[in-house]
Amino acid sequence: KAGVTQTPRYLIKTRGQQVTLSCSPISGHRSVSWYQQTPGQGLQFLFEYFSETQRNKGNFPGRFSGRQFSNSRSEMNVSTLELGDSALYLCATRMADEQFFGPGTRLTVL
Amino acid sequence: GDSVTQMEGPVTLSEEAFLTINCTYTATGYPSLFWYVQYPGEGLQLLLKATKADDKGSNKGFEATYRKETTSFHLEKGSVQVSDSAVYFCALSDRSNDYKLSFGAGTTVTVRA
Repeated sequence: KAGVTQTPRYLIKTRGQQVTLSCSPISGHRSVSWYQQTPGQGLQFLFEYFSETQRNKGNFPGRFSGRQFSNSRSEMNVSTLELGDSALYLCATRMADEQFFGPGTRLTVL
Repeated sequence: GDSVTQMEGPVTLSEEAFLTINCTYTATGYPSLFWYVQYPGEGLQLLLKATKADDKGSNKGFEATYRKETTSFHLEKGSVQVSDSAVYFCALSDRSNDYKLSFGAGTTVTVRA
């Protein structure tokens, strides 16, 4: 089985722009979660989608949003980028109590 | 709420040394416990897990035992290699919280030849 894939792997944006990141889960996995990883805050949960519905949301501003498609692929969008949004964004898919992570998208905001 | 506290790093060891990384947790329910590893430039890989008290998770020479009485899940390896250099994260998830993962801060381990 192919693992979790994330595109793009690297992004450079400027403040005020918006960005969309994509995640393709392991075949058969319907739950997709997104996490932000920064040196200062560590790993923080953004949100989880299951069967195209947001099931859980972390403590992030409304500029962070996501969606899931009928094939379970998920996208997350960040609008009006700020310098502090520079981070590694990780997607994970879940089967039972185990989560499997993709390689992440490294976002740099200049 | 759920939380995980793990030993601050960085940790630097010589090859074949014994590694231990302490992890304690707070949870309202009865969580599953995990250790994830992150190699440079990569995402997180599940290293091992335990789902109930006294369970021992093991993989690649690493072990951790779910200790409910001390709310701990310490990671150990008897003889580390240079290839074990990575960041290690302790985490928990609970069915009552839809299996959302709560992570510790991560411990950077460097093994010198």
